Amino acid sequence: DTGVSQDPRHKITKRGQNVTFRCDPISEHNRLYWYRQTLGQGPEFLTYFQNEAQLEKSRLLSDRFSAERPKGSFSTLEIQRTEQGDSAMYLCASSSVGGANVLTFGAGSRLTVL
Amino acid sequence: KQEVTQIPAALSVPEGENLVLNCSFTDSAIYNLQWFRQDPGKGLTSLLLIQSSQREQTSGRLNASLDKSSGRSTLYIAASQPGDSATYLCAVRWEGTYKYIFGTGTRLKVLA
Repeated sequence: DTGVSQDPRHKITKRGQNVTFRCDPISEHNRLYWYRQTLGQGPEFLTYFQNEAQLEKSRLLSDRFSAERPKGSFSTLEIQRTEQGDSAMYLCASSSVGGANVLTFGAGSRLTVL
Repeated sequence: KQEVTQIPAALSVPEGENLVLNCSFTDSAIYNLQWFRQDPGKGLTSLLLIQSSQREQTSGRLNASLDKSSGRSTLYIAASQPGDSATYLCAVRWEGTYKYIFGTGTRLKVLA
């Protein structure tokens, strides 16, 4: 197992375009988190999945953001009609239910909106 | 409102010094607390996790303590090394929620 994988690592897009990020968690992990981090700040919570169920979602998420985890394995985060304020590092983390809930983070997907 | 605060924002120490990083949180009804390390441009690496029923956890030169009643956790780093230079983040999960709320981190630089 190579840990949590995120793709793409870097994405540059023009304002108004849609972007999608993918996260592949550690195979036996059924908990999956998405966070957003801007320079000099701590990660900001976006959403949480347990298996395929989205159990918690930040109120900061507007209707332009959506996340899915259709089979309880990989997850996608889509941002529609991107704005310059969406430029950030998007981080995915996974953990297992029943364990100590130690989060394992991926390397992140850096989004730049021009 | 549930918040996590880390002070200082930045710290520079000579190699070999023992140091303490601070994390404070509102609302003592926490589920657990984790300390992470983040290197520039990279993801986060979990260092220590403390359950709400525990007072401290140790891993090598790192020791994390938890005082729920005062809303504080400290990360103690013994005999610091230049390789310890990174940003250290504290994250808290409260009861009744799955999310972790992060502080803004302490940027540590250990000088050789």
